[in-house]
Order: sequence, then structure tokens, then C-alpha cells
Amino acid sequence: KAGVTQTPRYLIKTRGQQVTLSCSPISGHRSVSWYQQTPGQGLQFLFEYFSETQRNKGNFPGRFSGRQFSNSRSEMNVSTLELGDSALYLCASSLGAGGSDTQYFGPGTRLTVL
Amino acid sequence: AQTVTQSQPEMSVQEAETVTLSCTYDTSESDYYLFWYKQPPSRQMILVIRQEAYKQQNATENRFSVNFQKAAKSFSLKISDSQLGDAAMYFCAYRTYIILTGGGNKLTFGTGTQLKVEL
Repeated sequence: KAGVTQTPRYLIKTRGQQVTLSCSPISGHRSVSWYQQTPGQGLQFLFEYFSETQRNKGNFPGRFSGRQFSNSRSEMNVSTLELGDSALYLCASSLGAGGSDTQYFGPGTRLTVL
Repeated sequence: AQTVTQSQPEMSVQEAETVTLSCTYDTSESDYYLFWYKQPPSRQMILVIRQEAYKQQNATENRFSVNFQKAAKSFSLKISDSQLGDAAMYFCAYRTYIILTGGGNKLTFGTGTQLKVEL
């Protein structure tokens, strides 16, 4: 079974632009979570989607948004990019709504904002 | 809010030796899950081991085992017979058990411990 895939793997943008990252979960998985990883703040939860509904959201500004499609694929969007948005963005998928489910991570998208 | 603390930024171990990575957490919940994830230089986050808080028995996965002390809110990872491939950043993570309140799959991570394996 294929793992979690994220595209693109690397992105370079300039301040003020917007960016869309994509995540395809493991087949059959309905939950997708997004995390931001930076040297200064570590790993921080962005949001989680389950069956096309956002279930939980971390403490990030409204510039960060996401959505999930009927095939469970998810996208996250960052508008009006700032230098501090440079990070590794990780996506994780799991079978269901939590409980005993295990989350599996994708390889990440490295975003650099110049 | 839950917090996870890893007080060892770096650890070193000789190949074939045993090393223990520490993790403490703070929560008011009685049921939850704890995880150790490994992140090698490729940055791919890999699950090492998980522990359900309601289970008293410590989880074991091959050379990896945990020492779960619920009252002390401690969750350490022991790696036996260390191998060069074990070199990575190790993250301790917490996840709530309570689905209905929206906790869902949110993981709260510690700051990580960089493990170096020496010949």
C-alpha cells in the first residue's frame, strides 16, 4: 500500500505570495492532519480534516487554511506569505477519527520564503 | 493544554550499546496515547512505538521499549543494541483519547532529542 504523499517536495516563494500544498493520504484513510516544523518553534499542529470537515485547528493566523476533498486528499493554503512561514510542512493520515488509530506521516514539503 | 518535555537535546551512544531517551508530559486527562517518532535526515517521520495510557504493560517493538510511569507522567524510550541506522531526531508525542471533544488526531510534540550513534 502506498504511503502518504506530499507535493511538491520543495517550494520557493517570495513574501506576499500565496502557496498551496497537497497531501494524498494512505488509501482508505479519512483523516488528514497538517503540522509545521521550524527550528525555533518545533512541530506545531495546524489543523485536522476528517470526512471533508475541519475537526481541529491549531493556533495559527487565518492566512493558513485548508480543505479536504471527497477522496480524502487535502490541501493547505498559505496566503500573504511571510519570512516566518519558511518551514517543513508535514501531513499525516490515519484511518479514522482518532482513538486507537496511528498516524502516518508524509515526507513533507519544504517551503522557503524569500 | 497538554505539554510534552524532552530535556535532552542531544544524546550519544556506542554501536551495540543501550540508550534511554527521556520524556515527561503534563495532562489532566486520564486516558491518552503516547508515541515516539523518529525523524532521520530524510525528514520522514516514522512511528517507533506507541503506548496506551490505560495499559499498565510497557510497549515493546523489537529493540525499542518504553518505561511508562503514569503517576510520574514519564515516558522514556530505551533502544537496545543500537545501530547506525538509529541515528535520528526522536520526538515524544501526546494524543488525547477523547474523540468527541474534538481532540481527534492532534499530536502534541516535544522538542526532540538528537541521537548520535558512534562506532
